[in-house]
Amino acid sequence: DAGVIQSPRHEVTEMGQEVTLRCKPISGHDYLFWYRQTMMRGLELLIYFNNNVPIDDSGMPEDRFSAKMPNASFSTLKIQPSEPRDSAVYFCASTLQGGFGYTFGSGTRLTVV
Amino acid sequence: QQQVKQSPQSLIVQKGGISIINCAYENTAFDYFPWYQQFPGKGPALLIAIRPDVSEKKEGRFTISFNKSAKQFSLHIMDSQPGDSATYFCAASMRSGSQGNLIFGKGTKLSVKP
Repeated sequence: DAGVIQSPRHEVTEMGQEVTLRCKPISGHDYLFWYRQTMMRGLELLIYFNNNVPIDDSGMPEDRFSAKMPNASFSTLKIQPSEPRDSAVYFCASTLQGGFGYTFGSGTRLTVV
Repeated sequence: QQQVKQSPQSLIVQKGGISIINCAYENTAFDYFPWYQQFPGKGPALLIAIRPDVSEKKEGRFTISFNKSAKQFSLHIMDSQPGDSATYFCAASMRSGSQGNLIFGKGTKLSVKP
């Protein structure tokens, strides 16, 4: 198994531009999580899905952030418009059962200038 | 109540020494406590986990100690090696019920000096 695959690995964009981060979970996993990691705030849960349905999006910082999971093998996190304070590493993780056994992807390092 | 408080923020240990990282929680409904290890440029990876029905779990040089009454748990790394240098996160979750997500501590950056 290739693990959780995230793309791109690095993204540099200008303030105001739309950014789309992508995630392919491990096949058969029915939970998918999006986390944001910064030095100041650590690992923050943004949103998670169970069987492609968003369960909790209370961590999404504001309306500029949106996430979708159109099928069991693909999810996107979109930021529109992006701001410098969105600069962080964004991780996707998946698991078979919610709450344990998470497998994280390698992350997308986003820099908004 | 949903927080997991982790300390210290950073830790420097000599090779061969014992590294100890502590975590505390408030929500007594938490029933699963994993530790994750993260190397630079990588995502966190599950290291070891414990359930509250045991007070200790050991896997090689890594041990979790769990104190249910104090609502605390800790990671001990025996004979610490430079290769253990990484950021360690404790976490907690409720495996039953509708809550499906892990709550992570802020992380501890461990440096093991040769």
